[in-house]
Amino acid sequence: DAGITQSPRHKVTETGTPVTLRCHQTENHRYMYWYRQDPGHGLRLIHYSYGVKDTDKGEVSDGYSVSRSKTEDFLLTLESATSSQTSVYFCAIRYRGGDGYTFGSGTRLTVV
Amino acid sequence: ELKVEQNPLFLSMQEGKNYTIYCNYSTTSDRLYWYRQDPGKSLESLFVLLSNGAVKQEGRLMASLDTKARLSTLHITAAVHDLSATYFCAPRTIYPSGTYKYIFGTGTRLKVLA
Repeated sequence: DAGITQSPRHKVTETGTPVTLRCHQTENHRYMYWYRQDPGHGLRLIHYSYGVKDTDKGEVSDGYSVSRSKTEDFLLTLESATSSQTSVYFCAIRYRGGDGYTFGSGTRLTVV
Repeated sequence: ELKVEQNPLFLSMQEGKNYTIYCNYSTTSDRLYWYRQDPGKSLESLFVLLSNGAVKQEGRLMASLDTKARLSTLHITAAVHDLSATYFCAPRTIYPSGTYKYIFGTGTRLKVLA
């Protein structure tokens, strides 16, 4: 078990409010990723991090920001949530030089 | 930009039957993963295929990779209900930063009927 935890598991929020999702890992992995999953789209990469304070945009980064101030935490922030950001969000980690991802349990976010 | 297509998107099959899920991708990739997702759950890694001609098998599932054709297949033999899930392929590519990324297909939702 890679020790990856996402919080919260479920959240309902109102349009226009800020929301922060947290991904926490316990094994000092360098690479962390945020994906969103929507029907008909599979998983799409929002942002990723390759080290503390080292982050970059993925395919669908508009409306999202991230921060990684310490190795174990990767935060995803929706500055002003919109209904189009209703989705299931997955965090993933990758071992350096390793294969594939280990995914967190996901956060189901509903923006009303 | 790497694009990934899976076929079919939905598959309903009888127990005991065989079927193949196809994953086509648009640009060069050196390895490919298959993941399984049960409803409401996270994704679980099934196979990693590391080179052209690679074949991996576990139980009733067998995955193969043809990098020249940019095609991977996931073959299901004698399906059972427990295989009902959504299956994703994810070929690997690389960002300009040097970080690897995996581009996911839209998924194939498999339902095995008793």
